[in-house]
Amino acid sequence: EAQVTQNPRYLITVTGKKLTVTCSQNMNHEYMSWYRQDPGLGLRQIYYSMNVEVTDKGDVPEGYKVSRKEKRNFPLILESPSPNQTSLYFCASSSPLQGRTEAFFGQGTRLTVV
Amino acid sequence: AQSVTQLGSHVSVSEGALVLLRCNYSSSVPPYLFWYVQYPNQGLQLLLKYTSAATLVKGINGFEAEFKKSETSFHLTKPSAHMSDAAEYFCAVSALGGFKTIFGAGTRLFVKA
Repeated sequence: EAQVTQNPRYLITVTGKKLTVTCSQNMNHEYMSWYRQDPGLGLRQIYYSMNVEVTDKGDVPEGYKVSRKEKRNFPLILESPSPNQTSLYFCASSSPLQGRTEAFFGQGTRLTVV
Repeated sequence: AQSVTQLGSHVSVSEGALVLLRCNYSSSVPPYLFWYVQYPNQGLQLLLKYTSAATLVKGINGFEAEFKKSETSFHLTKPSAHMSDAAEYFCAVSALGGFKTIFGAGTRLFVKA
């Protein structure tokens, strides 16, 4: 089954404790991205990657890091989480080069930083 | 630069009534346009997309949207609302062939019995 898998689904952590949210897709998509969803603001892009070892900042990259060492994986790293990073996070993938311009989303990770 | 504006953060309709969710976009190049739906505790899933093939686009679950270049609009409609349509709907625009997608703030649809 074609899917984007995020882990964990729910996470509560304390300020300053480094964490990683994993994202994996099995569709051989070249494009992957991370979004955060906050009430009234829709989805805002954090980082994106156009292919292996090619990443770039989205609209709200501060406080986040990413890496793309393999085509299927695109982890999101919070080196020192703060309460303002409490949000719902989504990973998405697509394949514009194959004509698949729509994004396939993971189930989301609800992060709470206390 | 691209942007998306969804008019109305909340829309309430009666079951069986017309659903109309409004979306206006701005883009400096011909855009790709999308509508996504999000059910509680789930990710977003694609309802329909416009990629310049036809101005009237039909999607899943009886939804359709019409691309109007002169009005820079891509409104979502469904002739008859069903209780299962209650969800949040997002309009999105991409002007780089899908590589950079901007989402609207979302419209939550309530369906009354």
